[in-house]
Amino acid sequence: DAGITQSPRYKITETGRQVTLMCHQTWSHSYMFWYRQDLGHGLRLIYYSAAADITDKGEVPDGYVVSRSKTENFPLTLESATRSQTSVYFCASSVSGREQFFGPGTRLTVL
Amino acid sequence: DAKTTQPNSMESNEEEPVHLPCNHSTISGTDYIHWYRQLPSQGPEYVIHGLTSNVNNRMASLAIAEDRKSSTLILHRATLRDAAVYYCILRARNRDDKIIFGKGTRLHILP
Repeated sequence: DAGITQSPRYKITETGRQVTLMCHQTWSHSYMFWYRQDLGHGLRLIYYSAAADITDKGEVPDGYVVSRSKTENFPLTLESATRSQTSVYFCASSVSGREQFFGPGTRLTVL
Repeated sequence: DAKTTQPNSMESNEEEPVHLPCNHSTISGTDYIHWYRQLPSQGPEYVIHGLTSNVNNRMASLAIAEDRKSSTLILHRATLRDAAVYYCILRARNRDDKIIFGKGTRLHILP
């Protein structure tokens, strides 16, 4: 399917476990982004990538790891999940200088 | 990054125009003014953007003050479906395309 997809849409995990959230886009957009959204904090940028093999930190990168070996995929890994990482995670993509397109989000609960 | 200031919330009646204000007194000459909105339980979506001149598209109009220190997003005829959080964002040209979201304005539409 065309567009930007995220998987899983819902995930429950336990403290200390590793979790990977997937993001896939079919437009070959060069830029990809990960945000988290918590009640009272709005959307905060975690990591972003300008192209394959190029990533950079956003506002709240601690506790997260990203990779971008292919243009279309931008997985986000929580190496050792904590309760404070319970959130809704949004992935987005864009062509340089143009609007960002957002995925439907992944709701992550860390028990 | 230059900051924007928006009211926390606004109300409007259905089928009437809505004017959503945004102040950005520290805007630089290379900053574009972008608006996104987030409908309930969805990811943000692009609405409109501009640099100096007023802009119109099928979703809304953007009126930019002559000194560029403020702008107004105009929804010409609000519907219940326009109830959302609206974000005014400054995006630097020729930078790394990242967007820093503020708290936005929660727009309530009254039937």
